[in-house]
Amino acid sequence: DTEVTQTPKHLVMGMTNKKSLKCEQHMGHRAMYWYKQKAKKPPELMFVYSYEKLSINESVPSRFSPECPNSSLLNLHLHALQPEDSALYLCASSRSGPSSGNTIYFGEGSWLTVV
Amino acid sequence: AQTVTQSQPEMSVQEAETVTLSCTYDTSESDYYLFWYKQPPSRQMILVIRQEAYKQQNATENRFSVNFQKAAKSFSLKISDSQLGDAAMYFCAYPTGTASKLTFGTGTRLQVTL
Repeated sequence: DTEVTQTPKHLVMGMTNKKSLKCEQHMGHRAMYWYKQKAKKPPELMFVYSYEKLSINESVPSRFSPECPNSSLLNLHLHALQPEDSALYLCASSRSGPSSGNTIYFGEGSWLTVV
Repeated sequence: AQTVTQSQPEMSVQEAETVTLSCTYDTSESDYYLFWYKQPPSRQMILVIRQEAYKQQNATENRFSVNFQKAAKSFSLKISDSQLGDAAMYFCAYPTGTASKLTFGTGTRLQVTL
């Protein structure tokens, strides 16, 4: 099983809403990631969790709040977003970091539209 | 700064033909890994091939192979016998900064025509 499952696949939210994106993997991976991808651009790293601890925050605004409840789950809590936050949000996981040659497995992404 | 550059925004290849996608990178490290990822219209990023810089032999996965030139910091992807299903965005990627950060190039959109 090499699957990373993301829900929901599509989300439309208002600027005052609170919503969450969810991600799950059962590969026993200890590194999990959130990437943001705008149209026709490469993915940009937002957060990395390593062994359920936040290890990288790429200066992401506080309206994005990650959470790793256990080694299989990763959430991204969204609050007071702006229209420019509309993008594809990709969750990913790997056994450890890519500098060791580990493959990063990606989910299909959650399309977020902020209105 | 460690960067990854893909100079071809778009490429086109006829079915069954061969195409090469270019990637250059900048690093001061001596041992590292390089990756090519494919993103079809479904948007899921899929690993195509991986190369360890320490190994001189170019990586090969079925119809996909790389031409790795360490001194030139070049890591091109060759797709042989192109198929319609190969149509996608292709991203070259390299771990930069900390051990967990994978930085992607700007991507090359590959079209496959009949």
